[in-house]
Amino acid sequence: QKEVEQNSGPLSVPEGAIASLNCTYSDRGSQSFFWYRQYSGKSPELIMFIYSNGDKEDGRFTAQLNKASQYVSLLIRDSQPSDSATYLCAVNPRNQFYFGTGTSLTVIP
Amino acid sequence: EAGVAQSPRYKIIEKRQSVAFWCNPISGHATLYWYQQILGQGPKLLIQFQNNGVVDDSQLPKDRFSAERLKGVDSTLKIQPAKLEDSAVYLCASSQGIPSPLHFGNGTRLTVT
Repeated sequence: QKEVEQNSGPLSVPEGAIASLNCTYSDRGSQSFFWYRQYSGKSPELIMFIYSNGDKEDGRFTAQLNKASQYVSLLIRDSQPSDSATYLCAVNPRNQFYFGTGTSLTVIP
Repeated sequence: EAGVAQSPRYKIIEKRQSVAFWCNPISGHATLYWYQQILGQGPKLLIQFQNNGVVDDSQLPKDRFSAERLKGVDSTLKIQPAKLEDSAVYLCASSQGIPSPLHFGNGTRLTVT
């Protein structure tokens, strides 16, 4: 069983819409959760992270945790063409970092 | 704050040759990671250092890959001999330690022909 699983997509949304990305994790002991954005040919860059004690909003981005169902979501409001990228979910159980395979998002102008 | 530095950015070698990658983490970051990212996949952890000690190298192909972080700062990852399937981007990342996030360098794109 993989530590982190994501739907690879591609996910397409029109400009201005809300994009919703999800990932599931297997280790119930995971305490922190991370979302990275990766443009084609570039390295991952941190968007935001949350701990197991609650959701977080940062500008157009909201990260939400559902501990009972073991999934984490990232909502992008007012999606822009510049948001088109692959979004990687990461968790760190047992002091290790595990990444999902990423979800490809395309925002259509 | 300077980011994670990696070199070289690109490397092309023939199979069975050797190659080395260098990484300098963000100043003060005790934890350093090497990841391998094959096109279309997520980053796969190769090795994790805490200062100059190895925390996890369970997925490092030790018959051909080696890594060191002698003074607890910069690190070198070596492949010898390289195989075609080693073609990937090698990412170095550092953090202040769990649960702080990872910060990645620009990566080294390796092509093995």
